[in-house]
Amino acid sequence: EAQVTQNPRYLITVTGKKLTVTCSQNMNHEYMSWYRQDPGLGLRQIYYSMNVEVTDKGDVPEGYKVSRKEKRNFPLILESPSPNQTSLYFCASSRQGSNQPQHFGDGTRLSIL
Amino acid sequence: AQTVTQSQPEMSVQEAETVTLSCTYDTSESDYYLFWYKQPPSRQMILVIRQEAYKQQNATENRFSVNFQKAAKSFSLKISDSQLGDAAMYFCAYRPRDDKIIFGKGTRLHILP
Repeated sequence: EAQVTQNPRYLITVTGKKLTVTCSQNMNHEYMSWYRQDPGLGLRQIYYSMNVEVTDKGDVPEGYKVSRKEKRNFPLILESPSPNQTSLYFCASSRQGSNQPQHFGDGTRLSIL
Repeated sequence: AQTVTQSQPEMSVQEAETVTLSCTYDTSESDYYLFWYKQPPSRQMILVIRQEAYKQQNATENRFSVNFQKAAKSFSLKISDSQLGDAAMYFCAYRPRDDKIIFGKGTRLHILP
């Protein structure tokens, strides 16, 4: 089954404790992306990657890191999480090209205390 | 800067009636796609419809259609014969060629039985 898999689905942690949210897709997509969703703000792109070893900042990259060492994986790293990073996070992937819709994971609810 | 604006945070419609959700965007690009995504309470992100900027003909998918006015930079979504399962958050999204993707803040649609 074609899918984007994010883990964990839920995480409660404390300020400053490094964490990684994993994302994997099995559709051989070139484009991968991370978003955060906050009430009243919609989805905002954090980082995106157009292919292996190529990453670019989205609109809200501060406090986040990503890597794209393999085509299928695109982890999101919070080196020193803070409460303002409490949010719902989505990973998405697609083929290259502006006509390609995003395929989304099921989301990760992250709470930073 | 490229922006996407959804001016209606919430809307309600009677079951079986028609409703239109508005979306405007700002860009200097000429080659791009526009998308509507639906997010039901399950929080999954589901593609509803997409429109190519170069096509004058409005896209249609069953009960969902768009009114695309390129000069006005407007991309509204019309839902005909509204059903209870249409209740969701709807996001408009703009995607230029292989670049970051911009989402609107969303419109929450309520269906009244």
